[in-house]
Amino acid sequence: AQKITQTQPGMFVQEKEAVTLDCTYDTSDQSYGLFWYKQPSSGEMIFLIYQGSYDEQNATEGRYSLNFQKARKSANLVISASQLGDSAMYFCAMREGHNDYKLSFGAGTTVTVRA
Amino acid sequence: ETGVTQSPTHLIKTRGQQVTLRCSSQSGHNTVSWYQQALGQGPQFIFQYYREEENGRGNFPPRFSGLQFPNYSSELNVNALELDDSALYLCASSLVAWEQFFGPGTRLTVL
Repeated sequence: AQKITQTQPGMFVQEKEAVTLDCTYDTSDQSYGLFWYKQPSSGEMIFLIYQGSYDEQNATEGRYSLNFQKARKSANLVISASQLGDSAMYFCAMREGHNDYKLSFGAGTTVTVRA
Repeated sequence: ETGVTQSPTHLIKTRGQQVTLRCSSQSGHNTVSWYQQALGQGPQFIFQYYREEENGRGNFPPRFSGLQFPNYSSELNVNALELDDSALYLCASSLVAWEQFFGPGTRLTVL
């Protein structure tokens, strides 16, 4: 079974507007963590935000926030005030277990920001 | 503090050849993980090294092997290259499980 599901292959968003990227996950571990990465066409995987399963508050990093709904097993990324430079592929990833570093990635969502 | 670096940037090989990819981890990071990303897909975990020992492996055949050195830099070796090995190879370094930083990747083309 897929551990990470990203159902939106591609999305368009107008500059300065907000966009929400969906991510659902599947794990039986109590301790796990969820990551979002941005991958521009250059290929580098850029870390955006992290949410631990025991974190009570939703993670935020600048214009990025993670809408963590544990009961629904979802970890959606919200990008506020979109910029042209936000156009890229976005990946949701999960690590499982207390001290396991292995990441399972989703298929990704392509975001295109329009001027 | 320098970030994660990888070399070479691009590489072209032919079927049956062997290749070595290199990764320098971020300063102080003792864990390095390698991932294969085929075109249009998410990265797939190959294996992970912690303090010079392999510490987890994904569903990849034994012709994918690696090393980690005392300075925590790492190599990924692939023997008997196949066309399907064409991909972007990414390494990630970390000190703690909730911080994993990736390098720019090596794009391997197998002809």
